[in-house]
Amino acid sequence: EAGVAQSPRYKIIEKRQSVAFWCNPISGHATLYWYQQILGQGPKLLIQFQNNGVVDDSQLPKDRFSAERLKGVDSTLKIQPAKLEDSAVYLCASSLEGSYNSPLHFGNGTRLTVT
Amino acid sequence: DAKTTQPTSMDCAEGRAANLPCNHSTISGNEYVYWYRQIHSQGPQYIIHGLKNNETNEMASLIITEDRKSSTLILPHATLRDTAVYYCIVGGSSNTGKLIFGQGTTLQVKP
Repeated sequence: EAGVAQSPRYKIIEKRQSVAFWCNPISGHATLYWYQQILGQGPKLLIQFQNNGVVDDSQLPKDRFSAERLKGVDSTLKIQPAKLEDSAVYLCASSLEGSYNSPLHFGNGTRLTVT
Repeated sequence: DAKTTQPTSMDCAEGRAANLPCNHSTISGNEYVYWYRQIHSQGPQYIIHGLKNNETNEMASLIITEDRKSSTLILPHATLRDTAVYYCIVGGSSNTGKLIFGQGTTLQVKP
């Protein structure tokens, strides 16, 4: 099966600019997650979708970050305006269903550098 | 969700078994133990998970102590491609599938 696809692979922007990341989950997977991974740390959950509804966005900095999952398939994560501390790898993951018995499948991420 | 404690780093000789420990002393009865690994420049990869019984799949074995306060991930014959950061995560059966990652253990497999 095709894995989780993310684009772009790398992005460099200046602070205060905006940026968007795209994720295409594994076909048929109802649950989609966005994680932020700062260098040297484990991934941190930003938002979780079940189909096209938000399950958990408690860790999403809503003043600058937004995410949507139209039609319950692809998803985009946007940062506007970006800050230096947003430099990180943004990982998208999907699972068949959002439950303890449904492993997460991760993409290879988008590496964002904010200068 | 219960927290986990893992060593920061470990070494293993190629071809030998790699035994990665994890402490989760505050685990509750309905919480599972999950293991993921992350190879450099890639996203995390699922390895295995279990509740109380030992589990084995094509990648690894998971040994959970009887009191469930600790577990060990075993890679039976480590190869250079197993060099990665290994994350031990505890999550409840009532959770929505989200994972809370810690710092993990960096396993270096040496020739």
